[in-house]
Amino acid sequence: GAGVSQSPSNKVTEKGKDVELRCDPISGHTALYWYRQRLGQGLEFLIYFQGNSAPDKSGLPSDRFSAERTGESVSTLTIQRTQQEDSAVYLCASSSTGTPSQPQHFGDGTRLSIL
Amino acid sequence: TQLLEQSPQFLSIQEGENLTVYCNSSSVFSSLQWYRQEPGEGPVLLVTVVTGGEVKKLKRLTFQFGDARKDSSLHITAAQPGDTGLYLCAVDTGRRALTFGSGTRLQVQP
Repeated sequence: GAGVSQSPSNKVTEKGKDVELRCDPISGHTALYWYRQRLGQGLEFLIYFQGNSAPDKSGLPSDRFSAERTGESVSTLTIQRTQQEDSAVYLCASSSTGTPSQPQHFGDGTRLSIL
Repeated sequence: TQLLEQSPQFLSIQEGENLTVYCNSSSVFSSLQWYRQEPGEGPVLLVTVVTGGEVKKLKRLTFQFGDARKDSSLHITAAQPGDTGLYLCAVDTGRRALTFGSGTRLQVQP
């Protein structure tokens, strides 16, 4: 499809395991964002990519969280040694240029549950 | 203290009723966005307001940006079950990523 695609849609894993979440942005969009949404809450910014570079990593909650983007396309968010407080929906968004006037288009998220 | 305070947190109304939800801050913003998020989906942009005092209409939804550009409201006329969802306001604080309020969860009963 033409929208932002995220996989998997759901992930259940045991505490202490590592997980990888994938985001395929809209083709041609240079800006990509990761957000976290805890149950019943708004969205919490994690990291922003412009091209393959991440000028703003300030939202990553700990050094267990990392992300990369390749080919100015796909991005992967990795959480190492998962904890129960990592349970949330992880949302990815992309925009055409990353300027504030450009709307962000969201995927449907990955629902992560840590047992 | 959150940058954006949304109220009410929850709202359950009957089909056909009118409602208003609010997004307030003590900070001034160059623009403000409203999103709607349905269960299991990502947020979808409804509108961006830019000018103080601006009013924008999207069918039965009316959005207003405060004169001082610190707050905004969303008014829904004759709510329908399809309006059910989480309404989020968001601003760009200069870091490119959006800062969101915690949202108003609206349930419209048929």
